[in-house]
Amino acid sequence: NAGVMQNPRHLVRRRGQEARLRCSPMKGHSHVYWYRQLPEEGLKFMVYLQKENIIDESGMPKERFSAEFPKEGPSILRIQQVVRGDSAAYFCASSPVVWGDSSNQPQHFGDGTRLSIL
Amino acid sequence: DAKTTQPPSMDCAEGRAANLPCNHSTISGNEYVYWYRQIHSQGPQYIIHGLKNNETNEMASLIITEDRKSSTLILPHATLRDTAVYYCIVRVRVGDKIIFGKGTRLHILP
Repeated sequence: NAGVMQNPRHLVRRRGQEARLRCSPMKGHSHVYWYRQLPEEGLKFMVYLQKENIIDESGMPKERFSAEFPKEGPSILRIQQVVRGDSAAYFCASSPVVWGDSSNQPQHFGDGTRLSIL
Repeated sequence: DAKTTQPPSMDCAEGRAANLPCNHSTISGNEYVYWYRQIHSQGPQYIIHGLKNNETNEMASLIITEDRKSSTLILPHATLRDTAVYYCIVRVRVGDKIIFGKGTRLHILP
């Protein structure tokens, strides 16, 4: 099985442009999570989505950031009007739908998109 | 804040067992202990998890104390490729966001 696929691996944008990061979860997984890792810092949760629903966006900045996970296609993390402080590695993780003991399912991570803002 | 406490760094000689401790004194009865690692510039890699019994897989062993307030991840024969930051995490449900602490930076010495 293919793992979690993220693209692009590297993305360079100028201040004020838009950045779109894509994540295709593992086959059979319908839960998607986005995390951000600023330089020399730990990973921070941003948002948790299921197909067509945002379940928890408590870690998302209030402005310029949005996420979606449509019925068909990858999950998209969108950053509008990027600023230098958005430079970071953005990781996506996925986990399967499980009925019953759902805590017994790990999240599996992709290798991230490294966003650089000029 | 992370619900776990780990030493910031550890050294281990190549070929020896690496034992990484983790304290989770406030763990609840339905919370699992998970271990991930992050090798430089890669995404976090799932290693192992457990509830109360010791667990073993092809990568590592997880030893959880009887009171569940601490655990130890054991890499039985460390190699240079095991150099990474190791994160110990407690979580309840599949929808739970992972709260990463600072982890333990493991250095494998040749």
